[in-house]
Amino acid sequence: EDKVVQSPLSLVVHEGDTVTLNCSYEVTNFRSLLWYKQEKKAPTFLFMLTSSGIEKKSGRLSSILDKKELFSILNITATQTGDSAIYLCAVERTGTNAGKSTFGDGTTLTVKP
Amino acid sequence: DTGVSQDPRHKITKRGQNVTFRCDPISEHNRLYWYRQTLGQGPEFLTYFQNEAQLEKSRLLSDRFSAERPKGSFSTLEIQRTEQGDSAMYLCASSLRGRGSSYNSPLHFGNGTRLTVT
Repeated sequence: EDKVVQSPLSLVVHEGDTVTLNCSYEVTNFRSLLWYKQEKKAPTFLFMLTSSGIEKKSGRLSSILDKKELFSILNITATQTGDSAIYLCAVERTGTNAGKSTFGDGTTLTVKP
Repeated sequence: DTGVSQDPRHKITKRGQNVTFRCDPISEHNRLYWYRQTLGQGPEFLTYFQNEAQLEKSRLLSDRFSAERPKGSFSTLEIQRTEQGDSAMYLCASSLRGRGSSYNSPLHFGNGTRLTVT
């Protein structure tokens, strides 16, 4: 079975801090790793990573994948209270049984003013 | 693009009753997924469809759970003889799978149906 482990489980920081969230995985026939943000109800897509060493960036958020060591990190710089959310990491496989995403249990980030 | 919609938003039922949830995906998306999420856990895969075909069902899924996607549009998830352990948020998501390619767009989630079994 595919496996995704996120750390830390929770994190409390103050506005302006920089945070790094970790995601390690085990998956057969890896295709992609995705990051989602879940604030109240529906997770919303942040990044899709398929290649090692290529940073994806969106504003203050960035992410990178290491396919050799089987992990990814999500960085948030100059955090704001609006960044408070659960950050979910998921992996997808290719080939047989491709299609479903396997999620980790998330990192709950709380940003205090 | 009106997004993925789910109905109802909340459902409270007594143990032993049957419940049915509905999901309307983004219209141009050909894949539809059902996930279950409990507090402190990530979404757990239940089943998914490509068009009207159910391609995979979780081995952890009890026979009390059944899903349909008639005509490849909306989907329903039915839970028969509900148990207290079924209490959870049931999330529906859709995506676009490119024909003849390995491309699969990220998941677009609905706001979920929160089920409470008393």
